[in-house]
Amino acid sequence: EAQVTQNPRYLITVTGKKLTVTCSQNMNHEYMSWYRQDPGLGLRQIYYSMNVEVTDKGDVPEGYKVSRKEKRNFPLILESPSPNQTSLYFCASSLGRGGFEQYFGPGTRLTVT
Amino acid sequence: QQQVKQSPQSLIVQKGGISIINCAYENTAFDYFPWYQQFPGKGPALLIAIRPDVSEKKEGRFTISFNKSAKQFSLHIMDSQPGDSATYFCAANAQTGANNLFFGTGTRLTVIP
Repeated sequence: EAQVTQNPRYLITVTGKKLTVTCSQNMNHEYMSWYRQDPGLGLRQIYYSMNVEVTDKGDVPEGYKVSRKEKRNFPLILESPSPNQTSLYFCASSLGRGGFEQYFGPGTRLTVT
Repeated sequence: QQQVKQSPQSLIVQKGGISIINCAYENTAFDYFPWYQQFPGKGPALLIAIRPDVSEKKEGRFTISFNKSAKQFSLHIMDSQPGDSATYFCAANAQTGANNLFFGTGTRLTVIP
């Protein structure tokens, strides 16, 4: 089954404790991205990757890091989480950047206290 | 700055009625306009998309109307059903160039039986 998986689905952590949210896709997609979803703000892009070892900032990259060492995986790293990063996070993948359907993972709900 | 403006924020419709969600954009480089549907606890999924060479696209009960001169597009759900209750996001991007996919702020639709 073609899918994007994320782990964990739920995470509660404390300020400053480094965490990683994993994302994996099995569709051989070149383009992957991370979004955060907040009430009233919709989906905002954090980082994206055009291919292995190629990553770039989206609209709200501050406080986040990513890496793309393999085509299928695109982890999101919060080196020092803060309460304003409490949000619902989605990983997505697609064949390309513009004009292609994006396939979203199930989401990771993060709470930083 | 919101690249795509979406309204209303929430919508309540009787079963069998028509649901209408509107979006507007400013960037004339945008040439791909998808709508995503999101059920609670799930990631968004592509519902229907349009390119500006047509003014309307219909798939079953879902229709996108596109007005290029006004830079507006809308989603119409005919014969709305309780199963259509979800959050709907419009989005836009350019198929070439540096643009990523920009989302509206979302509309929570509730269809009352």
